[in-house]
Formats: sequence, structure tokens, C-alpha cells
Amino acid sequence: AQSVTQLGSHVSVSEGALVLLRCNYSSSVPPYLFWYVQYPNQGLQLLLKYTTGATLVKGINGFEAEFKKSETSFHLTKPSAHMSDAAEYFCAVSEDTGRRALTFGSGTRLQVQP
Amino acid sequence: DAGVTQSPTHLIKTRGQQVTLRCSPKSGHDTVSWYQQALGQGPQFIFQYYEEEERQRGNFPDRFSGHQFPNYSSELNVNALLLGDSALYLCASSLDSGLGTWDEQFFGPGTRLTVL
Repeated sequence: AQSVTQLGSHVSVSEGALVLLRCNYSSSVPPYLFWYVQYPNQGLQLLLKYTTGATLVKGINGFEAEFKKSETSFHLTKPSAHMSDAAEYFCAVSEDTGRRALTFGSGTRLQVQP
Repeated sequence: DAGVTQSPTHLIKTRGQQVTLRCSPKSGHDTVSWYQQALGQGPQFIFQYYEEEERQRGNFPDRFSGHQFPNYSSELNVNALLLGDSALYLCASSLDSGLGTWDEQFFGPGTRLTVL
């Protein structure tokens, strides 16, 4: 069975500071990994995905994540936080293609202080 | 393109009642998945519909059922509502491109169900 652990339910950074949101996964087969963002009263929006190939993936809004198989991690980073980055972030894993079920972590709420 | 739409936006029911939630997929999409997101939690997969049939199901009781119509829209039905069914119900649509491909799931804004 697959699972996702997101360390830190709340993360607070200053505007312009590095953003680091942690995600570890468990999967019995090579995983497909995703980061989604959820703004208040909105659905989930895909930030970036890892399926195959390059382990460092770049997404929208300046975010990127690195797949590290040896550490079973897929941490999300952004060099410089912006006020508009304040939202809930979810890491997800799928053991099949993305059209199959996604297993989500419990989420990390990012606060950006001025 | 309107994207994925869901109705109603909010719903209040009492224990024991039945509820139907509706989802219209993004134009051109043929696959609909439903997720339950309890307060403070990540979404949990309920089931996925493709070609009007349930293709995959998560760990939810039979009280949760669904349907997909020929126009690819979908309904989620929950019978005998429990307090614990209170959650945001998210619908996601995608286009099935075939085995070995990855199809992005586009999420709707959700229906907030409150069970009293």
C-alpha cells in the first residue's frame, strides 16, 4: 500500500525567504509523485509532477521538487516566498499513472509573513 | 472553458438522510474521480468512473455510490448519512489517454457537506 507523510502541518516563512515543504512517501513500486496547492474555497491545482526521467522537476510559480529514491522523499522548494504563496500544499503519490487513485498527505499550511 | 464544476456549493443534511452531489467534467474529459476531504485532512479517494462504470474504488462503505452519465457527468450518492460524513467532496476529471500515459486530474471547487 502507498502512503504519504508531510512533516509539519504549518510552516511560516518571511516574504523573500526559502520555502521548504517536506514529503516522504511509501510505495511498493516506482511511484508517481505530485504536489498540489489549494487556495481557500478552491479546488486543488497541480504544481508539479514526477513520473519518469529527470529527478528534479520544475513547476508553476517558481516551485520545484526533487525525487530522491534513496530517501523516499519529494520535498517542495521555492527560493523566495511571495505573499501569494500562502495556501495549503498537498503531496500525493500514485502507483499507477495519474489517472488512477491519488493518495494524499495531510497537507501543510504555508503562511508568508510580510 | 468552465473547467470542472460541482453543485451544490454547500449542503446541510441531518443524520440518516440521503444526499446527491453532482459534477460536470472539464470539456473533453471522460473520467471522473471523487474524493472526500475532511477538515484538516488531505483528500481521500472514494471511486473513479470511466465509460459509465466504476473502475476503481477506495476504502469507503457501500453507502457511497456513484453514477456516470453518457455525457460524462457524474453523481455521488451517500445514504444513511453519519456525522462523520461531513466534509468537502471534490470531483476531479481527466482524459484517459490509454495505458502507460499520465493523465492530469483537474479538480473542481468542491461541495461542502455538513451533517447535523
